[in-house]
Amino acid sequence: NAGVMQNPRHLVRRRGQEARLRCSPMKGHSHVYWYRQLPEEGLKFMVYLQKENIIDESGMPKERFSAEFPKEGPSILRIQQVVRGDSAAYFCASSRAGSNQPQHFGDGTRLSIL
Amino acid sequence: GEDVEQSLFLSVREGDSSVINCTYTDSSSTYLYWYKQEPGAGLQLLTYIFSNMDMKQDQRLTVLLNKKDKHLSLRIADTQTGDSAIYFCAERGNTGNQFYFGTGTSLTVIP
Repeated sequence: NAGVMQNPRHLVRRRGQEARLRCSPMKGHSHVYWYRQLPEEGLKFMVYLQKENIIDESGMPKERFSAEFPKEGPSILRIQQVVRGDSAAYFCASSRAGSNQPQHFGDGTRLSIL
Repeated sequence: GEDVEQSLFLSVREGDSSVINCTYTDSSSTYLYWYKQEPGAGLQLLTYIFSNMDMKQDQRLTVLLNKKDKHLSLRIADTQTGDSAIYFCAERGNTGNQFYFGTGTSLTVIP
């Protein structure tokens, strides 16, 4: 009974490169959420997606960041032209439909920018 | 956005009880959650409470909710060294789409 799967666990990029982070939700979960955790801080919401739709992207930076959750395959968080300040742990969570459903988290992708 | 606050550190001796406190601002929150994060890992859902409840008990964990004061606590009975971790409280935003997390309380259990 696999949980939320994120890959890669660690990602190193040089400034200006692109980073792609993947998330496969738990079986039966149709809602995906992305959060960012800076060192010694709590998690900050970035975006909420359902299949083929972005529902709430109020936490996403306006530039360089994008997210998708296609009909087939994992959800992707894409960061273009990365900068040092993008270094963080990025967590994906998934839930079933319904306002009372808890979110279940993956182990995160730790992004380091050289 | 909503504001969720926690104290940063807590140390207890093995076998004692731990109480981790959290305050939040959104009075319309319907559910409040406690998550545990071990080093290098994701967040593990521990328990959650519906806002019309005052208390919820689950084995060694007891959650108390004072909705009037917007105060949530997590009590861990007979704390063990394996309980050392960061504990986050979270409230579901009024749109239902996102969770608002506190900064986390780092619990250290002293043998």
